[in-house]
Amino acid sequence: DVVMTQSPLSLPVTLGQPASISCRSSQSLVHSDGNTYLNWFQQRPGQSLRRLIYKVSNRDSGVPDRFSGSGSGTDFTLKISRVEAEDVGVYYCMQGTHWPPITFGQGTRLEIK
Amino acid sequence: EVQLLESGGGLVQPGGSLRLSCAASGFTFSTSAMSWVRQVPGKGLEWVSVFSTGGSTYYADSVKGRFTISKDKSKNTLSLQMNSLRAEDTAIYYCAKIDSSNSIRNGFDYWGQGTLVTVSS
Repeated sequence: DVVMTQSPLSLPVTLGQPASISCRSSQSLVHSDGNTYLNWFQQRPGQSLRRLIYKVSNRDSGVPDRFSGSGSGTDFTLKISRVEAEDVGVYYCMQGTHWPPITFGQGTRLEIK
Repeated sequence: EVQLLESGGGLVQPGGSLRLSCAASGFTFSTSAMSWVRQVPGKGLEWVSVFSTGGSTYYADSVKGRFTISKDKSKNTLSLQMNSLRAEDTAIYYCAKIDSSNSIRNGFDYWGQGTLVTVSS
């Protein structure tokens, strides 16, 4: 199975400052169909999960444009341009290229400093 | 508005069985691929099973042969029958909808709130 490794696991950020989460895969996530199936999810405290980004850089409907995804091959990044209080939570990357199974990163906990 | 409401969780002894349900509304359930994902409280996410639009089912190796996913289109309900439960199956179980591409590779565009399953004597 493809192992997804996120860093950092804990990310204290000052309100209004940028934040960046790294996600690395144990194999290239480029699929034979040309797509790269790397997705990002947010889990706010006490809430269920929400998809933010799919296929590396496509933002879901309703996701603020301060969230952006980038990367290729085995290295990917989720960036928040200016952190707001509502961004507190845990962020997960997920690969779908080498399915089955799909696999998730360990999660990165973002907190306000 | 898409809603996914799980039920059926609880405390069960090792070796026992439990059936989870997910009541879906707000989208065309009959043509949507659906999945179960679990999370040990305070820990990460693990994909469990998927029911594809064509009716094919897939399972994580950790549950294969013990869990069965099913879909009742007449009741808009996704189910997960869990047999031979083990302590390591203890987790919050989420019902999740695969997006309109119906490709699990894109992940899940809607998730339920989850139902807690505890396997303990």
